[in-house]
Amino acid sequence: DVKVTQSSRYLVKRTGEKVFLECVQDMDHENMFWYRQDPGLGLRLIYFSYDVKMKEKGDIPEGYSVSREKKERFSLILESASTNQTSMYLCASSLGGTGLEKLFFGSGTQLSVL
Amino acid sequence: QKEVEQDPGPLSVPEGAIVSLNCTYSNSAFQYFMWYRQYSRKGPELLMYTYSSGNKEDGRFTAQVDKSSKYISLFIRDSQPSDSATYLCAMSAERSAGKSTFGDGTTLTVKP
Repeated sequence: DVKVTQSSRYLVKRTGEKVFLECVQDMDHENMFWYRQDPGLGLRLIYFSYDVKMKEKGDIPEGYSVSREKKERFSLILESASTNQTSMYLCASSLGGTGLEKLFFGSGTQLSVL
Repeated sequence: QKEVEQDPGPLSVPEGAIVSLNCTYSNSAFQYFMWYRQYSRKGPELLMYTYSSGNKEDGRFTAQVDKSSKYISLFIRDSQPSDSATYLCAMSAERSAGKSTFGDGTTLTVKP
């Protein structure tokens, strides 16, 4: 089974702090994604990466950056956390190929910014 | 207006009932239509997907896509308490499911 592991289940940070959310996948997937999930807004794509050291902006990249130094690891960085970044953050990976590139999600990190 | 609108919940049904979950969309470029199930405190998992119009069946689950009406449905037959979860529809114009547009989700409770 594909496993996508997010380092923290719950995280509480203060406004202005730099926050790192880590995601590791164990199936050699090329593609990795970061989303946030908010009630009434669904899942929204923040950033994604199709290869090591590559990154692309999603729909809501403002206030975030990412790092992908190794194929299996994709980090989301909040440079200066703000209260409106309180959310559930979900990481996912997928393998390129024919047909639909199916997504595999981690269990999420519930981030609270106070 | 959102590109994808999902029937709001929550939905509560007795065990054994037939459940219908629905989404509408406005982007005619969508070609892949997905349904995810998300249990509490877990990430979404792909249940099934359909390419273009038509029906697809997998056990107790049937996905229907009507592109002419821009309407998709997920039917669950003989619902079980283990089906209690939030169901998300998602749609994509390309093979990359990662760039899908997601619905808000419908929370289903199946009571024994």
